Amino acid sequence: GNSVTQMEGPVTLSEEAFLTINCTYTATGYPSLFWYVQYPGEGLQLLLKATKADDKGSNKGFEATYRKETTSFHLEKGSVQVSDSAVYFCALSPSGGANNLFFGTGTRLTVIP
Amino acid sequence: KAGVTQTPRYLIKTRGQQVTLSCSPISGHRSVSWYQQTPGQGLQFLFEYFSETQRNKGNFPGRFSGRQFSNSRSEMNVSTLELGDSALYLCASSLTGTANTEAFFGQGTRLTVV
Repeated sequence: GNSVTQMEGPVTLSEEAFLTINCTYTATGYPSLFWYVQYPGEGLQLLLKATKADDKGSNKGFEATYRKETTSFHLEKGSVQVSDSAVYFCALSPSGGANNLFFGTGTRLTVIP
Repeated sequence: KAGVTQTPRYLIKTRGQQVTLSCSPISGHRSVSWYQQTPGQGLQFLFEYFSETQRNKGNFPGRFSGRQFSNSRSEMNVSTLELGDSALYLCASSLTGTANTEAFFGQGTRLTVV
């Protein structure tokens, strides 16, 4: 079956610290992988995605690389800001599209000045 | 352009009642997906509609149903509400829902069952 296992939170970091949020997946076939972010009181926003093995998705200083051999898609950012405080969700799509997403449990990140 | 609009934003219902939630996708988007978000189960896929037809379905009981209209607006209905149905219900729209299309999420409808 399809599932996503995500690093438990919450995560609290000081501004300019390095961020890693681990994500591993189980899937049949060749899924696309996504990171979504949810700011307080808002819906989910796509942060980045990768559609095939070894692809690197990147946006707003965040990066994640699709690793088929380790079935992982870890989110990283070199220097976090207070404005990055949010809940981050790793997700996969078996069909590669956006219409049937399997999500991880979410990781709440708080960045303190 | 306008984003995905979900109405109402908040609802309180009593056990045994039924409820209908509405989602207006971004103009031109034909795929609408629904998700349930709870603290215990996280985000779970309910179903997806494309061109007025249910194209994908998650693992939820038949009390959860939906439909899509010719203008792509979608509704989901939950009958015989249970306390465990209390959740944030999110709707997402995309152009076609297929590969290389992005899903845009609404702010959700928070349903409380008492």
